Amino acid sequence: GQQLNQSPQSMFIQEGEDVSMNCTSSSIFNTWLWYKQDPGEGPVLLIALYKAGELTSNGRLTAQFGITRKDSFLNISASIPSDVGIYFCAGRGSYGETSGSRLTFGEGTQLTVNP
Amino acid sequence: AAGVIQSPRHLIKEKRETATLKCYPIPRHDTVYWYQQGPGQDPQFLISFYEKMQSDKGSIPDRFSAQQFSDYHSELNMSSLELGDSALYFCASSLSHAGNEQFFGPGTRLTVL
Repeated sequence: GQQLNQSPQSMFIQEGEDVSMNCTSSSIFNTWLWYKQDPGEGPVLLIALYKAGELTSNGRLTAQFGITRKDSFLNISASIPSDVGIYFCAGRGSYGETSGSRLTFGEGTQLTVNP
Repeated sequence: AAGVIQSPRHLIKEKRETATLKCYPIPRHDTVYWYQQGPGQDPQFLISFYEKMQSDKGSIPDRFSAQQFSDYHSELNMSSLELGDSALYFCASSLSHAGNEQFFGPGTRLTVL
């Protein structure tokens, strides 16, 4: 089945620093999404990407859909303590455009921000 | 804005017991998805429903079944529970015409003793 490789697995940064994480896949995805999850809570959607090459921002977050449709990255600028959490990439694959298609998740990036 | 509602939030069961998890999607969303997340793992897709019909099936054990009702809420039924079923179970919902964006509920933490 499809697999997503997400890196890095963990990051320890100082408040105010920028951070970047990425996902690569052996298969093409039609959609890339980025989620943030706090401990014991559900993933919260941050950014959705629909077209190869698309670059989308949401406040201090910027994400891009790779041109090959097999990768995506997420950048966080000027990190703050509340950015702490686990960030997951997720791909929605080539099952067709009908609703009901599963998300395949990366392994997650644990972000720690030191004040 | 209304979000996905899941109940119960916590559930403790013994081995071989049954459990039923409920999911109420965001209003007007007609598609629901179930995911299982083990400790330190990423969410794994189990099953999804669109307009009350099963639309996709992942690595869901035969001991589990699910359905979507006429009001679009969904229930995940789990029988003959095993220790390994202990996990967070998430429901997500989406609009059929914008199914790319799945919004997750807060999850049900199932502990099997």
